[in-house]
Parts: sequence; structure tokens; C-alpha cells
Amino acid sequence: QVQLQESGPGLVKPSETLSLTCTVSGLPISNYYWGWVRQAPGKGLEWIGYIYDSGDVNYNPSLKSRVTILRDMSKSQLSLRLSPVTDADTAVYYCARAGNGGFPNWGQGTLVSVSS
Amino acid sequence: EIVLTQSPGTLSLSPGERATLSCRASQGLTGKYFSWYQQKPGQAPRLLFYSTSNRATGIPDRFSATGSGTDFTLSISTLEPEDFAVYYCQHYDPSPPTSTFGQGTKVEIK
Repeated sequence: QVQLQESGPGLVKPSETLSLTCTVSGLPISNYYWGWVRQAPGKGLEWIGYIYDSGDVNYNPSLKSRVTILRDMSKSQLSLRLSPVTDADTAVYYCARAGNGGFPNWGQGTLVSVSS
Repeated sequence: EIVLTQSPGTLSLSPGERATLSCRASQGLTGKYFSWYQQKPGQAPRLLFYSTSNRATGIPDRFSATGSGTDFTLSISTLEPEDFAVYYCQHYDPSPPTSTFGQGTKVEIK
């Protein structure tokens, strides 16, 4: 079955770059759509962006100027970069497989705190 | 930009009762890309329904979902202890490709 695992630093300084990796097993990432979603502490879910089977990407307009989503098919990994970060970017970051407009498979999430 | 508004914010019910959750869109949707999720503390969201009313794998049939246009509903016929959680609606708009979540409804034990 498909498994997703986020990884990356748990602490990032303000104005620096948040970099996360999502390792996917059980499915070829080249054949599916993938997304990133975040959740600030005690808050709701916020869509960050998609990367499609074509390699095209789409981002939340509110984050578009700061976010990059990439994929490395040889490693079966997705990556998320957000720069520069502020306190408001403190959140649990999830990667998820997209399909039928929804997200049927999720990683367990990784907490990233932005603090000096 | 589509805005999804969920109500109520919190629903206080007892096990065995029926729960009805609402999600209202700021403009009419086709429903093809409308989904519901359940999230428990410390866990990732779990997809319950996609395309408005298609139950995801492993979701018990006490859960049901309907809707069209601007009004969508998630129902839980008989609340089990494990159903107390936060529920989110979500819509994917393919043109341009964007995704929006509602703010969530917390179903808590009364």
C-alpha cells in the first residue's frame, strides 16, 4: 500500500528557507498527482500546492511567491521549499497523494517551528 | 476564489446520536471534486468521501454525504466513540487548479 513519509528540520529561523522531503513508497510518483498541505497549531488545513504527473505545479496564490514544489523520480521523493519563512509558517506540514479532487493518502506530518 | 464555510463550529452530541454537518460554498460547485475528511488529534486527516458522496475505502456506512450547488452535508447516523473528531470539507477547482478547505467542525462528546 502507498506510504508517505515527511522529513526535514523541525526548527527554521525567520527569513530562512524551510525545506522538506516526502518519500513515497508503494506507488510510482510519476503516475499520480501529489500535494502539500499544512496546519498551523490549533488551526485548520491550508492547501500549499500540487505537483502533477506531468511535472507541472500549482500553488496557493497566498504562498506562490515563496513556495517551490519539486520531485525526484529516481528517489521517489517530493520536496517542498518555502522562503523566506516567518512565525506564521509554523505548522505541521503534510504531503498527500491527490486523486478525484481529494487527498486519499497522507503522510503522518512533520512539525516545523519558525523561531530564532 | 471559492470559500467554504462549515457549520456549526462545534457540535456537542452523545454517542448514539445523529450528527449533521454542513459545508456551504460561496459559489455553486459541480460536486465532482468535493471531499470530506476526518481528523483526530495528532493524526493526519483521513478521506471520508470524494466526489461529494463516494465513500472512501474502509469508511463505515454510518457515514453518508450528499450535496449539490452550494450546500453539502456530512451525516453520521449513530455516533460511535471513535467518531468524535474534527471534520473538514474540501473542494478542488481545476481551472485554475486550486484547493480550498473549510474551517472545520468539531464533533465533541456532550
